[in-house]
Amino acid sequence: SQTIHQWPATLVQPVGSPLSLECTVEGTSNPNLYWYRQAAGRGLQLLFYSVGIGQISSEVPQNLSASRPQDRQFILSSKKLLLSDSGFYLCAWKSSYEQYFGPGTRLTVT
Amino acid sequence: QKEVEQNSGPLSVPEGAIASLNCTYSDRVSQSFFWYRQYSGKSPELIMSIYSNGDKEDGRFTAQLNKASQYVSLLIRDSQPSDSATYLCAGWAIKAAGNKLTFGGGTRVLVKP
Repeated sequence: SQTIHQWPATLVQPVGSPLSLECTVEGTSNPNLYWYRQAAGRGLQLLFYSVGIGQISSEVPQNLSASRPQDRQFILSSKKLLLSDSGFYLCAWKSSYEQYFGPGTRLTVT
Repeated sequence: QKEVEQNSGPLSVPEGAIASLNCTYSDRVSQSFFWYRQYSGKSPELIMSIYSNGDKEDGRFTAQLNKASQYVSLLIRDSQPSDSATYLCAGWAIKAAGNKLTFGGGTRVLVKP
């Protein structure tokens, strides 16, 4: 069966520090992968998605970037965090027709 | 018009009653729909998928799709306090070749004992 992992589960970072969040999927090959952010009390905002290695589509211009160095690995990065980057970051993968979310990383920028 | 719209709620229902959630969608969304349940502080969990007109039942959940009227609904029978959560409706955005799921804002459901 397929499993999606995210780490870390929680993170507290100061403004201006770098960020690296990792997502890996097991039990499937060449999945579509997604990064979402959910601010407190808000809806899901799609940040990036990838249909294959090295293929990244950006949905929202901001100080975040994404990379997909391996088939089942998706990384979200930032060189300098802003207070507004705080939120719940969710990785997701798409099977044939359905999308499944990972457990998420809760990021607090102080 | 937003691609997928939901009433934000909260929808308050007594324990044991039927909770009825509705979602409308635009022509920019393909006609495969999904309901996710999200508990506070947790990630969304897929609970129902519906691909064709009509009803689909799974346990206490029934999803209904009406393509002519462009709405999707979720019924929760015999509501339990554990059903208290935010429910998200979603469909694949046509313009993104089915690669991007478009979500409604979610409906918060409160089941009162």
